[in-house]
Amino acid sequence: GEQVEQRPPHLSVREGDSAVITCTYTDPNSYYFFWYKQEPGASLQLLMKVFSSTEINEGQGFTVLLNKKDKRLSLNLTAAHPGDSAAYFCAVTRNSNNRIFFGDGTQLVVKP
Amino acid sequence: GPKVLQIPSHQIIDMGQMVTLNCDPVSNHLYFYWYKQILGQQMEFLVNFYNGKVMEKSKLFKDQFSVERPDGSYFTLKIQPTALEDSAVYFCASSLVPNSDYTFGSGTRLLVI
Repeated sequence: GEQVEQRPPHLSVREGDSAVITCTYTDPNSYYFFWYKQEPGASLQLLMKVFSSTEINEGQGFTVLLNKKDKRLSLNLTAAHPGDSAAYFCAVTRNSNNRIFFGDGTQLVVKP
Repeated sequence: GPKVLQIPSHQIIDMGQMVTLNCDPVSNHLYFYWYKQILGQQMEFLVNFYNGKVMEKSKLFKDQFSVERPDGSYFTLKIQPTALEDSAVYFCASSLVPNSDYTFGSGTRLLVI
């Protein structure tokens, strides 16, 4: 089945710096890609859903890049602020799946 | 936006006892899921459920686990009997289609002592 590897497991940056989290996946038929944010003690909130046909996806304060050739998905937080401190999870699925596969998560700390 | 409600938010239970975790999914969603998370780390898939049946389950979904959604009421995860290693946060999720974005509940923090 699909395997999703997420790096790094922990990331600490200064306020205003960028933060990059990357996931690689194994199934070339993967079709939908997701980034979730989980604040401490809270549930997972969907940041962005990406279709396989879109390589660059802009959000508010972040960009999601999809490289299908390398089977790589990245979340780039531009000018991180302390409110971005949270756990971030990538997730991958394809049309024929009944579920999505999560990466192991990245604990991001943004220091003032 | 639409929410998934989980009841209770916290549960402490003696090892060997039964526990039922309740999930009220988004009203028009058809697919339901349970995930297990330990120490804020990886989200581990347990089971998904559609049309009254388990579609897929993982190795973590032990024989002591069961799910059901009788008559469109709560989607429940029952553990009987519980073990110490069942201590975790259990997240329920629902979706309209099987591989689209999920709506997650806030989780039930289960502590087995």
